[in-house]
This record gives sequence, structure tokens and C-alpha cells, in this order.
Amino acid sequence: DTGVSQDPRHKITKRGQNVTFRCDPISEHNRLYWYRQTLGQGPEFLTYFQNEAQLEKSRLLSDRFSAERPKGSFSTLEIQRTEQGDSAMYLCASSSSGRPYNEQFFGPGTRLTVL
Amino acid sequence: AQSVAQPEDQVNVAEGNPLTVKCTYSVSGNPYLFWYVQYPNRGLQFLLKYITGDNLVKGSYGFEAEFNKSQTSFHLKKPSALVSDSALYFCAVRDSLNYGGSQGNLIFGKGTKLSVKP
Repeated sequence: DTGVSQDPRHKITKRGQNVTFRCDPISEHNRLYWYRQTLGQGPEFLTYFQNEAQLEKSRLLSDRFSAERPKGSFSTLEIQRTEQGDSAMYLCASSSSGRPYNEQFFGPGTRLTVL
Repeated sequence: AQSVAQPEDQVNVAEGNPLTVKCTYSVSGNPYLFWYVQYPNRGLQFLLKYITGDNLVKGSYGFEAEFNKSQTSFHLKKPSALVSDSALYFCAVRDSLNYGGSQGNLIFGKGTKLSVKP
């Protein structure tokens, strides 16, 4: 499978716990995006990497959210001290560089439920 | 402010009839517009995009979209709907304000649920 993969697909956690999600982009893509999608809404941009550099993180929802892409390949998104309002689908997408309008390829998402 | 509007929460069409899913946008500079489809329990799939050139863009699965600059619209169309087209459709525009638009993140509409009945 050469598409974007995300792990886990589902995560149920208790309020106050930390969670970490992983995204493996398409191998030749150097751009990686994280989005959040809540019920009845379109995806909302969170953060962006070009290779290992995180070039945009001001859209992260709070300082409880952080993301890394240490070797410019896979990425992780961590949420600390989860709250019920964090319950959502977290989507990862990747694209090739060269043009900012290159289409993004999305993974299946990680659905987070905070009890 | 940059935004995308999908005025219809749901569109119902009979199989074999033409379908239109509406999208309007507001963006600084040249609009780079996209349509994605989302099936249950699956990720967003790219359908088509408008960058420049012909106002009628053809994409996957027989879909096309018409860019209208004066009406700031980018409606998705298909001449003959299939039951298998039933899904959630998202219109998106590239965010042109971040790094002059170079990072390419997308601004999405709320989505339109398309239901095609046999």
C-alpha cells in the first residue's frame, strides 16, 4: 500500500490522559499536514511540516498539542491532558513539493474519543 | 477573511439524473480550488482541482467542476449520478495568506452530503 497510513484508527481515552498518533506519509512526499475534523464540519488545519521542519504551528489548538517529524518521514501528533472537547477525527495528509497547489493525499484518520 | 461556503447540507438526486454540489469561496489572490470526497470510514479522496486555464475542470469518476470568477463559485457536477456516488463532498481552497500561500494548507467547507437514490 503506497498511500498515507495512520495509527491507531481509533483511540478511546479518559480525560486527562496523554495520547499520541502516528502518520506515515507517501514515501516521496516531503510535505505533511495535520487536520482535525469534528462532526458536521470540514477538516481544520492544525500544523505543517516540510521535511523535518515544522513551518506552521500557530494553528495548533492549544499548548497541549504538539507535533514532530524527526527524520522527515513519519510524524506524530501528541495531545497532553486530553479534554472531552478534543474528541474528533485527526487527519494526516501529504503532498509533494514544488507547487503549493499540489493535491494532498489524506490518510484514513484517527478517531479520538475522550471519556 | 478567507473562506469556503457549501450552502447545502444535503443534496438528493435520483440515479441517472445530473447532479450539482455548490461551492462559493472568498480568498485573497488567485484561487486554487479543490474538491474531495469522503466515504464512510475512509479518508478524503481527491477528485479534481482548478489552478488556471479552462473554467471547466474534469476529474475522477466522471465528475467535473465549473469555475466562475465573477460569481466566486466552483460547483461540482456530474451528468448522470450513480448510487455509488453517495458520500460526503468537500470543497476547499488553498490558504493564500500563510507564507504567501507557499505551504499549501487547505481551507475546507462544511461538506455536502450527496444521496443518490435508485
